[in-house]
Amino acid sequence: GENVEQHPSTLSVQEGDSAVIKCTYSDSASNYFPWYKQELGKGPQLIIDIRSNVGEKKDQRIAVTLNKTAKHFSLHITETQPEDSAVYFCAASPWGDSNYQLIWGAGTKLIIKP
Amino acid sequence: DAGVIQSPRHEVTEMGQEVTLRCKPISGHDYLFWYRQTMMRGLELLIYFNNNVPIDDSGMPEDRFSAKMPNASFSTLKIQPSEPRDSAVYFCASRETGSPLHFGNGTRLTVT
Repeated sequence: GENVEQHPSTLSVQEGDSAVIKCTYSDSASNYFPWYKQELGKGPQLIIDIRSNVGEKKDQRIAVTLNKTAKHFSLHITETQPEDSAVYFCAASPWGDSNYQLIWGAGTKLIIKP
Repeated sequence: DAGVIQSPRHEVTEMGQEVTLRCKPISGHDYLFWYRQTMMRGLELLIYFNNNVPIDDSGMPEDRFSAKMPNASFSTLKIQPSEPRDSAVYFCASRETGSPLHFGNGTRLTVT
């Protein structure tokens, strides 16, 4: 079955700098890769997702890149701000299956230092 | 859209008591998921429903856990009897076919 590894487990960056979180997956059939942000006391919220027919997707300060050959995908946050502090989760799944199941990474705690 | 609504937000109970967690999915969503989140094990899928029918309950820890979805707008997760190791945050999430997953804000369960 699918296995998703996420690193680092904790990332501390200076406000204004960039942050990169990386995930690797094992099942070559996976073709949907969402990223979720979880703030304290809340449920995870989707911030960006990518499907395997594209290599990169951008939404303002966040971007996701996908390398299907190497089976890894990354979240990039530029010009980090205090409100970016949260736990970020990656996930992978075969999207084409209407019964798709997300396999989750262990999460990265992002700390933005003022 | 009010999002996925869970109640209660916090539950503190004594070992051996019955606990019922409730969820109202987003209207129109045909999939509903129950997750458990702990520091040690991260996000674990317990069970999910499609059109109110349980599809996969292989993540349910043991017979003390049960889940129902009597209609499209309501689901419950019950633990009976509860144990201290059940302490965790329980999330309900929903989606419609082909769309991303939306989470509620969870129920923090503490069993003493």
